[in-house]
Amino acid sequence: GQQLNQSPQSMFIQEGEDVSMNCTSSSIFNTWLWYKQDPGEGPVLLIALYKAGELTSNGRLTAQFGITRKDSFLNISASIPSDVGIYFCAGLNYGGSQGNLIFGKGTKLSVKP
Amino acid sequence: EAGVTQFPSHSVIEKGQTVTLRCDPISGHDNLYWYRRVMGKEIKFLLHFVKESKQDESGMPNNRFLAERTGGTYSTLKVQPAELEDSGVYFCASSARAGGLGYTFGSGTRLTVV
Repeated sequence: GQQLNQSPQSMFIQEGEDVSMNCTSSSIFNTWLWYKQDPGEGPVLLIALYKAGELTSNGRLTAQFGITRKDSFLNISASIPSDVGIYFCAGLNYGGSQGNLIFGKGTKLSVKP
Repeated sequence: EAGVTQFPSHSVIEKGQTVTLRCDPISGHDNLYWYRRVMGKEIKFLLHFVKESKQDESGMPNNRFLAERTGGTYSTLKVQPAELEDSGVYFCASSARAGGLGYTFGSGTRLTVV
């Protein structure tokens, strides 16, 4: 089945630093999504990308949908302690899968004040 | 608006026992999904309900797992008998429309089989 390779697995950074994580796939997706999971909570949608090449920002977050539709990256600028959590990329294809998400394994972010 | 609610938040059971997880979706959401994350791995799709009907159950691991959504409201996921590899966090999500956008996830049930 479809799989997403997400990297890095974990990151330990200093407050104020920028963060970058990415996902690649062997197959094409129509939509890329980035989620954040706080401890004890479910994933919450951060950014959705719909078109190849699309670059979208949400506050300090910036994400891009790769031109080949097989990859995406998420950048966080000027990290703060509340950015701590697990970040998941997810790919989505409409049609036969009825919108079921394919997730990466997650990037665990730790921010040192 | 109340979010997606899952019960229990944690469950520890012995191998061979039965456990039932419950999910209450957002009121009016016809689409209900179950996902599971095994430690350190990706969140994997289990199945999708549209109202009370199973739209897609291709992700269900085996016949020890039984999901129901009687009346198209809340859903239950029963594991019987539980095995060690069933341990993980089980997430439920609901949406008004199918298609993965507009999903709201619950906080999950952490299941530990010992």
